[in-house]
Amino acid sequence: DGGITQSPKYLFRKEGQNVTLSCEQNLNHDAMYWYRQDPGQGLRLIYYSQIVNDFQKGDIAEGYSVSREKKESFPLTVTSAQKNPTAFYLCASSIGGTMLNNQPQHFGDGTRLSIL
Amino acid sequence: QQQVKQSPQSLIVQKGGISIINCAYENTAFDYFPWYQQFPGKGPALLIAIRPDVSEKKEGRFTISFNKSAKQFSLHIMDSQPGDSATYFCAASIVSNYQLIWGAGTKLIIKP
Repeated sequence: DGGITQSPKYLFRKEGQNVTLSCEQNLNHDAMYWYRQDPGQGLRLIYYSQIVNDFQKGDIAEGYSVSREKKESFPLTVTSAQKNPTAFYLCASSIGGTMLNNQPQHFGDGTRLSIL
Repeated sequence: QQQVKQSPQSLIVQKGGISIINCAYENTAFDYFPWYQQFPGKGPALLIAIRPDVSEKKEGRFTISFNKSAKQFSLHIMDSQPGDSATYFCAASIVSNYQLIWGAGTKLIIKP
């Protein structure tokens, strides 16, 4: 089955520690996204990648970093500079990098990050 | 001007009733309006979407109504079922752009 796999499902971070969230897709999609979801708020875009080896900052990129070395993979690192990292992190992908032809964003099932 | 305002924050509807969730936007350049459905512990999934050249789009029990002059759009769920209990997000975008602007979400509970 094609889809997006996020791992781990739950992750705990100690103070001062960097952690990396995995996102893998086998949908052959060009574009990939990372969102942060907090209770009572909509999804906020952290980073976006339209193509391999290229990515752009979203609205809340501070304290996060990404890489896009392979089409199917878009890992997110939450660095120690992110002072409030506790949230539900969602990875998504889409065929292209725009909403042309109503191409939806397909989401993984998320990683819940908590601070120890 | 980039915001999408969604209401209500939570909604309880009896089984068989009509669930209505509303969204409003400011940016008149938006031309793509999707609704996503999210179950607990899962990622959102596209439910239905509309472009501003039509005032209504229906897919099964789900209908989007769009009012361009009022800059509002709404999701109607007819004959609501307990399986519809989820969080619903509206969003808006410029179709040539990559970024979706999301509403804050509505937690819908359908009582049996």
